[in-house]
Amino acid sequence: DIQMTQSPSSLSASVADRVTITCRASQSISSYLSWYQQKPGKAPKLLIYAASTLQSGVPSRFSGSGSGTDFTLTISSLQPEDFATYYCQQSYSTPYTFGQGTKLEIK
Amino acid sequence: EVQLVESGGGLVKPGGSLRLSCEDSGVTFSDAWMSWVRQAPGKGLEWVGRIKSKADGGTADYAAPVKGRFTISRDDSRNTLYLQMNSLKTEDTAVYYCTRIDYYSYYGMDVWGQGTTVTVSS
Repeated sequence: DIQMTQSPSSLSASVADRVTITCRASQSISSYLSWYQQKPGKAPKLLIYAASTLQSGVPSRFSGSGSGTDFTLTISSLQPEDFATYYCQQSYSTPYTFGQGTKLEIK
Repeated sequence: EVQLVESGGGLVKPGGSLRLSCEDSGVTFSDAWMSWVRQAPGKGLEWVGRIKSKADGGTADYAAPVKGRFTISRDDSRNTLYLQMNSLKTEDTAVYYCTRIDYYSYYGMDVWGQGTTVTVSS
């Protein structure tokens, strides 16, 4: 199985900050990498797919990059509604594993 | 707009069975690959399994912790996805989400249901 490792596990930041979350795969997954945002009590929401393609309706302050084994999610200027937990997930091969999540909190 | 609505969650004793359903209001359910994802209380997301469209073979794959106990199936005439869960364990306690897998999104999961809660406890 492909293991997905996210860092950091938690992050404190302020509104308007730029933040980066990283995700590493245990083997190459090409660009089969998605990022999801989850708020408490809600279902996750797809933000980015194919490592760097923004899902329709997602603000442009979100961006993704990477291929192979190393990926990043960047939020260029944090807004109050961005404080949530973020997960990466590989869909290169089953089982489609998730990272352990990064909780983004207000400083 | 596609909407997924799960049902069937509840309280069940260890060793028991439960069947979850997920109804898709979209018009292209039969073409879609679908999956189940769960989230134990206070924990992260865990992929449970996936079923392909019948046109792509209709086969299902499972995560190791549920393989042999859980079965994913679909009824395209009812636009409904199922998760049959047998030999339930306390560690299966979670919110279960059904999701649509989008081929054009590199198999990202672009539509999620609201989730249904399964509690396994004596």
